Amino acid sequence: KAGVTQTPRYLIKTRGQQVTLSCSPISGHRSVSWYQQTPGQGLQFLFEYFSETQRNKGNFPGRFSGRQFSNSRSEMNVSTLELGDSALYLCASRIDEGITEAFFGQGTRLTVV
Amino acid sequence: QKEVEQDPGPLSVPEGAIVSLNCTYSNSAFQYFMWYRQYSRKGPELLMYTYSSGNKEDGRFTAQVDKSSKYISLFIRDSQPSDSATYLCAIPSGGSYIPTFGRGTSLIVHP
Repeated sequence: KAGVTQTPRYLIKTRGQQVTLSCSPISGHRSVSWYQQTPGQGLQFLFEYFSETQRNKGNFPGRFSGRQFSNSRSEMNVSTLELGDSALYLCASRIDEGITEAFFGQGTRLTVV
Repeated sequence: QKEVEQDPGPLSVPEGAIVSLNCTYSNSAFQYFMWYRQYSRKGPELLMYTYSSGNKEDGRFTAQVDKSSKYISLFIRDSQPSDSATYLCAIPSGGSYIPTFGRGTSLIVHP
């Protein structure tokens, strides 16, 4: 069974630009969450989508947004990039809500210059 | 205060050593506790999870929860170089039980 697929794996962007990252969850999984991972802060929760609706949101500015499509694939968008947005962005899929295992993709490494 | 605190290390040990990795948490209502392992350039993967207090063993790995101290531990016996990774504790919380992660502890097991 295919795992969680994130594209692209690496991105270099300039300050002020915007970026869109993509995540394809495991087939049948309805929950997709996004995390930002940095050496200083660790894994921080951005938001979760379930059946095309944002169900939970972390403490990030409005420049960070996302959406989920009817096939459960998800995208996250960061507008007006700042140097501090440089991080590994991880997507995790879960089959449902509740105490279930989160399966992570390999992440997208975003560098803002 | 963060909900889950974890010392980032790095922790360097010789092969064969017993490793102890620890986290503290703030909310006494938490009931489920997870450990994820993340190899370099990979996403985290679930290693073990426990419910409430007590121990859970899986091969060389033992997860322990002390709810009175709000302290969770992961022990690795007979550590191997292949155990070198970042270990993250995680606590599912909120209505959707989304995992809140500690910062992760980097473990290096040298031959």
